[in-house]
Amino acid sequence: DSGVTQTPKHLITATGQRVTLRCSPRSGDLSVYWYQQSLDQGLQFLIHYYNGEERAKGNILERFSAQQFPDLHSELNLSSLELGDSALYFCASSGTSKETQYFGPGTRLLVL
Amino acid sequence: DQQVKQNSPSLSVQEGRISILNCDYTNSMFDYFLWYKKYPAEGPTFLISISSIKDKNEDGRFTVFLNKSAKHLSLHIVPSQPGDSAVYFCAASAFSGGGADGLTFGKGTHLIIQP
Repeated sequence: DSGVTQTPKHLITATGQRVTLRCSPRSGDLSVYWYQQSLDQGLQFLIHYYNGEERAKGNILERFSAQQFPDLHSELNLSSLELGDSALYFCASSGTSKETQYFGPGTRLLVL
Repeated sequence: DQQVKQNSPSLSVQEGRISILNCDYTNSMFDYFLWYKKYPAEGPTFLISISSIKDKNEDGRFTVFLNKSAKHLSLHIVPSQPGDSAVYFCAASAFSGGGADGLTFGKGTHLIIQP
């Protein structure tokens, strides 16, 4: 158990809908990262928040957004969902951006 | 452009023997490298890491070797055990650049340990 929690574990929705994925980092960790794992692309970095502020963006679509709250949990919002957004979404946390990242169990999103 | 490459999608090794997983990278800004292990339906689990100032790091049965001039790293598992069967991901980061840009992952190698 990495200490990072993610909810929900599974999510099934329809095209055009909006969903919110939630992540709670390990106790004391200030950095939260989001990754997407799809069959053809592997694990790809989406976005990084540090202590409530956005630090870096990776391959994140404009339809996707994230935020980190004062209690340090983070939410990833996916809107106008398309079939191709079906993937595993992982959250990871670290103490600072220069420390090892520990991953949560992921949320499996299926868009029908 | 794949900056971290794991050219072997799968590897089969007999129990008790050495497993060697390879990884190549192209971005010379990478200075911190990690190996993660992943079981189906679970998140990646951190195994071992190495900074570019070192060429070897050991932790129990796991050793990572880094050859900066060749931009190559490898993970050695000795002896291999049935529980080591999983997908192994190589990842890299530019810590000297602040490390804010997340990890860049290879596509993974599925290690199968045969009894």
